[in-house]
Amino acid sequence: QQQVKQSPQSLIVQKGGISIINCAYENTAFDYFPWYQQFPGKGPALLIAIRPDVSEKKEGRFTISFNKSAKQFSLHIMDSQPGDSATYFCAASKRGSARQLTFGSGTQLTVLP
Amino acid sequence: EAGVVQSPRYKIIEKKQPVAFWCNPISGHNTLYWYRQNLGQGPELLIRYENEEAVDDSQLPKDRFSAERLKGVDSTLKIQPAELGDSAVYLCASSLVSGANNEQFFGPGTRLTVL
Repeated sequence: QQQVKQSPQSLIVQKGGISIINCAYENTAFDYFPWYQQFPGKGPALLIAIRPDVSEKKEGRFTISFNKSAKQFSLHIMDSQPGDSATYFCAASKRGSARQLTFGSGTQLTVLP
Repeated sequence: EAGVVQSPRYKIIEKKQPVAFWCNPISGHNTLYWYRQNLGQGPELLIRYENEEAVDDSQLPKDRFSAERLKGVDSTLKIQPAELGDSAVYLCASSLVSGANNEQFFGPGTRLTVL
């Protein structure tokens, strides 16, 4: 059962543009939603995370928007840069089980110079 | 501070051969995870350790996969015998289970190719 669905699979954006990646979840017990960034040959690294008690969280050029009623959340990358080119994974976890992460399938972002 | 260390980084073997991956977590992290990441997919949990105890191995194919975490620090994941479908990147991660958000720190992974 795919509990976290991510789209699009790939995304190409011009430098300076806005990149938007969407995720939807099914399990209402999820209460922590991180985004991970993965460069080729590297492991995923935490980028930004949100809890469902807020609708938006911003850190620099990265913003998570969260819609609890729709069970959807998205990552917005403002002023996208070629260095942002990577694969992005959304994930979700719930209390207990040491917060085991359920990952989406990933979005390969390419920012053109 | 050193991150999660994994070795080898790459491994190519023929099917039916055994293979082992090693992981050294971040110092002080008592929770250790092994994930498998298939090409174009997100990581999927294989096993989770709290200290030396495997507390969640429900996704580990126990007929051919085994893991151990001696003394609650380093861990080894073994496949015997390997099958073609085992080709993937095997990621190790660690965390402080008591952390507020239990952030998991990932190693660079071992890319396994089974011929």
